[in-house]
Amino acid sequence: DGGITQSPKYLFRKEGQNVTLSCEQNLNHDAMYWYRQDPGQGLRLIYYSQIVNDFQKGDIAEGYSVSREKKESFPLTVTSAQKNPTAFYLCASRQGGGNEQFFGPGTRLTVL
Amino acid sequence: SQQGEEDPQALSIQEGENATMNCSYKTSINNLQWYRQNSGRGLVHLILIRSNEREKHSGRLRVTLDTSKKSSSLLITASRAADTASYFCATDDGGSARQLTFGSGTQLTVLP
Repeated sequence: DGGITQSPKYLFRKEGQNVTLSCEQNLNHDAMYWYRQDPGQGLRLIYYSQIVNDFQKGDIAEGYSVSREKKESFPLTVTSAQKNPTAFYLCASRQGGGNEQFFGPGTRLTVL
Repeated sequence: SQQGEEDPQALSIQEGENATMNCSYKTSINNLQWYRQNSGRGLVHLILIRSNEREKHSGRLRVTLDTSKKSSSLLITASRAADTASYFCATDDGGSARQLTFGSGTQLTVLP
């Protein structure tokens, strides 16, 4: 099956801990994106990457970090500097030259 | 960055009725896209309309775009219970990163 996978589906962490969310795609897409969604709201862009070894900050990058060492992988680390990390995190990818973004199933992060 | 507004925030209709959702945005766009999100899931692309188009159809979906008013509408005809979901508009300003800016969404409930 082609698509985007995110793991884990649910994640719990204690305050002060860093946590890494996984995003993998086998669509051979060049661009990948991380979004945050809070209850009843739309998506806000955290980071994006258009090619391997390059990424850019989105609208709400503070307290987050990413890497893009492989085309198919774009992990997101939520650091202890993120003041309100409890949210639903969505990863997406897009083919170079395309318009549509393809989304993973999401990871729900809860800080205890 | 711009943030779209969607109207209404919530809509409840009977099966078989039509559902209309509206989206307004603030800056010029290259295209506007509509996505659907089932509860707790990722987003699924529904339809894209380019800035030089005024209307587009796909199955039971009809999208209109009025760039002079910076607004779009999504019409779902002959709704089904399975159409129950949140619907988001997303604008693409055509920049090199092809970032999408999402509206806050309309929660549609179709009652059987």
